Amino acid sequence: DIQMTQSPSSLSASVGDRVTITCRASQSISTYLNWYQQKPGKAPELLIYAASSLQSGVPSRFSGSGSGTDFTLTISSLQPEDFATYYCQQSYSPPRTFGQGTKVEIK
Amino acid sequence: EVQLVESGGGLVKPGGSLRLSCAASGFTFSNFVMNWVRQAPGKGLEWVSSISSSSNYMYYSDSMKGRFTISRDNGKNSLYLQMNSLRAEDTAVYYCAGARFGEAHGMDVWGQGTTVTVSS
Repeated sequence: DIQMTQSPSSLSASVGDRVTITCRASQSISTYLNWYQQKPGKAPELLIYAASSLQSGVPSRFSGSGSGTDFTLTISSLQPEDFATYYCQQSYSPPRTFGQGTKVEIK
Repeated sequence: EVQLVESGGGLVKPGGSLRLSCAASGFTFSNFVMNWVRQAPGKGLEWVSSISSSSNYMYYSDSMKGRFTISRDNGKNSLYLQMNSLRAEDTAVYYCAGARFGEAHGMDVWGQGTTVTVSS
């Protein structure tokens, strides 16, 4: 099975900050990497698919990059509505594992 | 409106069974891969199972293989998860999620979740 490791597990940031979350796969997954945002009590929402493609309706301050084993989610200017937990997920092969999540909190 | 609505959750004793359902509307359900994803209380997301559009392929997480069975009825626009031999660690919110543009495009539509509690 492919293991997905995110870092950090949590971070504190202020509105307007640039935030970077990393995700590492235990083997190459090409660009079969997706990012989700989840707010408390809500279902996850797709932000980025295929490592760098922005899902329709998602603000352009979100971006993704990477290929192979190392990936990054960047929020260019953190907004109040962005405080949430973020998960990466590989769609290269089943089981389609998620990372453990990164909680973005208000500083 | 694109929508997924789960049902069938509840309280069940260890060793018991439960069948979850997910009703789809607003998109051509029969064309797309569907998934179940769960989240234990206070924990992260865990992929459970997926099924291809015509039920040719089903995949499971190792911890659920042999106990859970995914199925779909395209005529009823519905996805199912039959869960047997339930354990306390299966307690979670269970989400159905669709990859309308293919697995490589991620799961772009999600239900609100249904809660399963395994306890004596």
